[in-house]
Amino acid sequence: DIVMTQSPDSLAVSLGERATINCKSSQSVLDSSNNKNYLGWFQQKPGQPPKLLIYWASTRASGVPDRFSGSESGTDFTLTISSLQAEDVAVYHCLQYWKTPRTFGQGTKLEIK
Amino acid sequence: QVQLVESGGGVVQPGRSLRLSCAASGFTFSNHVMHWVRQAPGKGLEWVAAIWSDGNNKYYVDSVKGRFTISRDNSKNTLYLQMDSLRAEDTAVYYCAREAISVAAHCFDCWGQGTLVTVSP
Repeated sequence: DIVMTQSPDSLAVSLGERATINCKSSQSVLDSSNNKNYLGWFQQKPGQPPKLLIYWASTRASGVPDRFSGSESGTDFTLTISSLQAEDVAVYHCLQYWKTPRTFGQGTKLEIK
Repeated sequence: QVQLVESGGGVVQPGRSLRLSCAASGFTFSNHVMHWVRQAPGKGLEWVAAIWSDGNNKYYVDSVKGRFTISRDNSKNTLYLQMDSLRAEDTAVYYCAREAISVAAHCFDCWGQGTLVTVSP
């Protein structure tokens, strides 16, 4: 199984500052036929289901503010929030959807400093 | 609009059974691979099972193999999860999730609100 390891487990950032969350996969999640990494990022607010933010590691889902961005380097993936807003307080999860079983990172709790 | 609504959760004793349902609307259910994902209290997300659009292929996480069965009725636009021999560690909110087929293909682009399953004596 592909193991997804997120860091940090929790993060406190001041409003307007940058937040960075990392996710590392234990093996490649790259489809060489289309050069796409099968890596998604989700935002989950308390009492709500996860919401898709980013797919193909770096493509924003419809309606997601452009302060959210994803990047990739081999098996290392990063979610960046360029200027933290109060409504961004949530738990963020990465997911690899290249292989079954699909596997999630353990989640990163983002709070306001 | 696209909607997934889970039902069937509740409190059940260890060793007993429960069947969850997920009613889909607003899209062509029969075109999509569907998944169940769970989240134990205060914990992260865990993928549980998947079923192909025609129902012919099914996959499970090791911890539920032989105890849980995923199925679907495309005529009723409904996904199911039959959970037998339940254990305390199955206590979680269970979400159904749709796998996208065009934009965001293969990622989980729509989730239900979840249904809570509590396994307790």
